[in-house]
This record gives sequence, structure tokens and C-alpha cells, in this order.
Amino acid sequence: AQKVTQAQTEISVVEKEDVTLDCVYETRDTTYYLFWYKQPPSGELVFLIRRNSFDEQNEISGRYSWNFQKSTSSFNFTITASQVVDSAVYFCALSEGSGGTSYGKLTFGQGTILTVHP
Amino acid sequence: KAGVTQTPRYLIKTRGQQVTLSCSPISGHRSVSWYQQTPGQGLQFLFEYFSETQRNKGNFPGRFSGRQFSNSRSEMNVSTLELGDSALYLCASSLAETGGIEKLFFGSGTQLSVL
Repeated sequence: AQKVTQAQTEISVVEKEDVTLDCVYETRDTTYYLFWYKQPPSGELVFLIRRNSFDEQNEISGRYSWNFQKSTSSFNFTITASQVVDSAVYFCALSEGSGGTSYGKLTFGQGTILTVHP
Repeated sequence: KAGVTQTPRYLIKTRGQQVTLSCSPISGHRSVSWYQQTPGQGLQFLFEYFSETQRNKGNFPGRFSGRQFSNSRSEMNVSTLELGDSALYLCASSLAETGGIEKLFFGSGTQLSVL
């Protein structure tokens, strides 16, 4: 069975600090996709990134960057120069690729609550 | 383009009652998935519908059911409500592109409280 672990339950930082959210996953599949979602207080999950298991290149998007390492089954997320608006719950998720589609099913980690203080 | 719309936003029911939640996907999206979010269990997949057919189902009892209409709108129903059904129910839609794992777009959810 697949599993996603986000060991950090809560992180508190001061604005402009860099922060890294950890994500470790388990799957038996060789083809899979990893996601990060952000959940602000309004409740909806906001898509941040999707990465497939064949692409280990790190990705940077503005202040966000992601480090994918298959050797350690990790997909960590770093926010550079954090801002108060980054405060939210962040979820890492895994989707297996058997049959070419997951039919809507993602396995989520428990989430990391990030609080950025001014 | 309008996002995923879920109604109602909040709902209070008593044990034993049944409830129906509604989800309107993003225009053009044919796949609708439902998730339950609780503090204890986190986010758990309920089921997914595509072209009015349930394609995937999570590990929930038969009291949880859903359906999808020809316009891709979806409803989920929970019968004989239990206290443990109190949760945020999230709906997500996607294009369900072939050959790849879909990116899900979520609504703001329906917060269900069972008293």
C-alpha cells in the first residue's frame, strides 16, 4: 500500500526566513506522480506542483522550489523568503500510475501547518 | 472561468438523518472526485465519477454514495449519519486526460456537523 509521511506537524517561522517542508513517500509502483497542495483557511486545496516519477529535475517557481530524490523517496518543498500570506496547511500527495490514470485518487500526507509571523 | 462550486458551505444534521451534498465542476471537466477531511484521518478518497459512471471507490461503508449527472455535476449522499461523519467534504474536478495522472482542482468544501 502506498503511504505519504509529512513528519513536521507544525512549523513556525518569521517573515523572510526560508522554510523546507519534508515529504517521504512509499509505493511499489515504478510509475507514479507526486503533488503538493496548499490549503488556506478558506478550505479549498490549491494545486502547487505535479511531478512524475521519471523526472528528477528540481523545479523552481518564484519563491517556491521542489527537490525530488527517488533514492530517498523524498519530495521536499522549500519556500524562500517566506511571507505572511504563505501561512496555510501544505499537503504532499501521491498518485500511482497503473493503467495510465489514478481515477481521481490521491494518497495525502497528514499535512504541515505553516505559520509565518510578521 | 468559474472554479469548483460546492453547496451548501455548512450543514448541521442529527444522527440518523441523511444528507446530500452538491458539486459543480469546472466547465469542461468531466471527472469529479470526492474526499473526506477530518482532523484524525486527514484527507481520504471517497469515490470518483466520469461520464456518469463511478470509476473508483475508496474504503468507506455503503452509507456513502454518489452520482454524476449528464452535465458533470455530482452529488454525494450519506445515509444514517453518525457522529464520526462530521467532516469537511471536498469535491475536485479534472479533465481526466488520457495517458497521464490528472491535476485535481478542489472546491472550498462542505463542512458537515453531525449532532
